[in-house]
Amino acid sequence: SQQGEEDPQALSIQEGENATMNCSYKTSINNLQWYRQNSGRGLVHLILIRSNEREKHSGRLRVTLDTSKKSSSLLITASRAADTASYFCATDTNAGKSTFGDGTTLTVKP
Amino acid sequence: DTEVTQTPKHLVMGMTNKKSLKCEQHMGHRAMYWYKQKAKKPPELMFVYSYEKLSINESVPSRFSPECPNSSLLNLHLHALQPEDSALYLCASSQDSAGAIPQHFGDGTRLSIL
Repeated sequence: SQQGEEDPQALSIQEGENATMNCSYKTSINNLQWYRQNSGRGLVHLILIRSNEREKHSGRLRVTLDTSKKSSSLLITASRAADTASYFCATDTNAGKSTFGDGTTLTVKP
Repeated sequence: DTEVTQTPKHLVMGMTNKKSLKCEQHMGHRAMYWYKQKAKKPPELMFVYSYEKLSINESVPSRFSPECPNSSLLNLHLHALQPEDSALYLCASSQDSAGAIPQHFGDGTRLSIL
């Protein structure tokens, strides 16, 4: 089974609104990463949060991690049409191996 | 443009053909990865090379054969594939495979098996 499960599976919002997507995982992790994938392209690394961190920011992105609940959230503020993509969380439990969640498909309408 | 280059971008092959996918990076990364991604699914890890040695093989069928000729190149040799092998094949690299390291992805090769 997937280490990471994300919800919602799909999210549609208007430009300027905030988008929140969640990732839950089953086993203890060393760190958690978020990636974006535009249609027909490879994945782009967005942000990494370590297991001893609770929150990280990068531009319009805010990631939280709750290891007691085995969950993470990605918040995109003031969304833009260019944010339309699939977003994946990836957990690292063993060296060199990342397991990806099922992903959230975000559509931002102009 | 991505820093990991994959060729070809598209490949159509019959089940009896032999072909190879190629991946190249010049970032000095010492870990390289192959993933398989089906439509609307997450990437699934296939192989990991660390310092040019195969370190992880996720029980991939032998019709997929990886090769790492040097630290910048990664190949995936294909032979006698099945229709269910049609997918996007992604290559990635990272500074090393010690974890907590972001991976840099290419744009993939879209493979169709007839």
